[in-house]
Amino acid sequence: DGGITQSPKYLFRKEGQNVTLSCEQNLNHDAMYWYRQDPGQGLRLIYYSQIVNDFQKGDIAEGYSVSREKKESFPLTVTSAQKNPTAFYLCASREVKLSTGELFFGEGSRLTVL
Amino acid sequence: QKEVEQDPGPLSVPEGAIVSLNCTYSNSAFQYFMWYRQYSRKGPELLMYTYSSGNKEDGRFTAQVDKSSKYISLFIRDSQPSDSATYLCAMSADTGFQKLVFGTGTRLLVSP
Repeated sequence: DGGITQSPKYLFRKEGQNVTLSCEQNLNHDAMYWYRQDPGQGLRLIYYSQIVNDFQKGDIAEGYSVSREKKESFPLTVTSAQKNPTAFYLCASREVKLSTGELFFGEGSRLTVL
Repeated sequence: QKEVEQDPGPLSVPEGAIVSLNCTYSNSAFQYFMWYRQYSRKGPELLMYTYSSGNKEDGRFTAQVDKSSKYISLFIRDSQPSDSATYLCAMSADTGFQKLVFGTGTRLLVSP
C-alpha cells in the first residue's frame, strides 16, 4: 500500500535536546511538506521541498531544519532553538502534476517537551 | 485578523441531521478551495476540492463556494457517527499550492 510513514508517533524530549522526526513516502511524489498543528490554529507550514536537494522555508521555519537527500525521505529536526516545540507534526506529499493540489498526509508525530 | 476563519466548534448533531460547516476568508486571490477531514490522532485526508465559485456534490457531501462573499461551505446530508471528525478548510491562490492556507478546523460530533 502506498502512503506516508511518520515515526515515531510519540516522542518526549528534554529541553535543550535536538530531535529528528522521520518521514518516508512511497508514492513517488516530488513535493514534500512539514506542517505543525496546534490547538486553535490551522496547519502551519514549516518547510517544503519540491525536488531532491532543494527545500524552502515555510511560515514558521525558525528552530527547525530539514534535508532532502532522497526523493522518498524528508526528515525534520526540531532544534533546541525552537522555543515552543510541543506540538503535533504532520508530513505530507503531493503529486505536482495533479491539478487539485491534493496533499497526502502521514499519521503525525506528537512531540512533547518535558 | 487571520486570512481564513473557521469556528472550532464542537458542533454536536444527532444522526441523520444535515450539517453545515463554513469558512470565511479575506484574500480575494484565493481560487482553489478544499475540505479535509481529520480523524482523532490521524493525518487529514482530502474530502472535496472546488475551483472558483459554484457547487460540487459527491455522495452525501456538497461543497459550495461564494467568492463574492468570501465564504465557503461544506454540507453533509444524512450525517453518520462515522462523520465525527475535525473538518479543515484550505485554500490557495495558485496552482503551485505552496501557500495553502488552512482554517483552524471545526470539530463535528454526530451522536447515534
